[in-house]
Amino acid sequence: DAGVTQSPTHLIKTRGQQVTLRCSPKSGHDTVSWYQQALGQGPQFIFQYYEEEERQRGNFPDRFSGHQFPNYSSELNVNALLLGDSALYLCASGDRGAVYEQYFGPGTRLTVT
Amino acid sequence: GIQVEQSPPDLILQEGANSTLRCNFSDSVNNLQWFHQNPWGQLINLFYIPSGTKQNGRLSATTVATERYSLLYISSSQTTDSGVYFCAVVYSWGKLQFGAGTQVVVTP
Repeated sequence: DAGVTQSPTHLIKTRGQQVTLRCSPKSGHDTVSWYQQALGQGPQFIFQYYEEEERQRGNFPDRFSGHQFPNYSSELNVNALLLGDSALYLCASGDRGAVYEQYFGPGTRLTVT
Repeated sequence: GIQVEQSPPDLILQEGANSTLRCNFSDSVNNLQWFHQNPWGQLINLFYIPSGTKQNGRLSATTVATERYSLLYISSSQTTDSGVYFCAVVYSWGKLQFGAGTQVVVTP
C-alpha cells in the first residue's frame, strides 16, 4: 500500500522565480491538502483540493495556486518567490473528502535565495 | 479561527522516564490527531482520537472533547522518541489546525 509521495525532496530557487511541487495521495484517497511549515513552527494550511476543485483555502496570497488531476494527484505552484517562502511544504491526503484520518508525505524542502 | 495550544514547549527526559504532553483547543472540533515529526521532517501518525483513550505500545492518548483537551502519554521513554510532537485539530472539511509542538529530547 503506497503512502503519500512528494517530489522533489529538495529544491533551491532564486527570488522572483516560480516553483511547482507535486504530490501523489495514498492509495484510495481522494482529497489532497497542502501545508507550509516554517522552521520551528507548526504546519500552516494552504489549501485543499477535492474533486479537482479548491474546496477551502488558508490565509495565503494568490501567488500560491494549485491543481488536482483526475487521478487525485496534485500540484502546488508558487509564483514570484520571496525569501519568506523558504519552508518545508507538506502534502496530506485523506479519503471521503478528508473527514477522517489524514496522512502526510515526506515533504519538499524549498530554499529561496 | 480555532486556537490550539501545546504544553510544555520543550521537554528533556532521561531514558526510561514517563511524560505527559497536553493539547488544549478553543472550540468544538470534529476530531484530533497526534503526530511525531522525525528529524527529516516526516509527520508520522500516532493517534486519531476524537474522544476516549487509545493505546499503541508505550504511547497512549486521551481526548476529552467536552473539556477541549487531549493528552499524550509516553511511558518508558527511549532515545528514538526524540523529536517534535504535534497535535492537530480537525475541523471544516478536514482542515487541520496545528499547535506549535512540543520538542522532546530523550537522553541516554
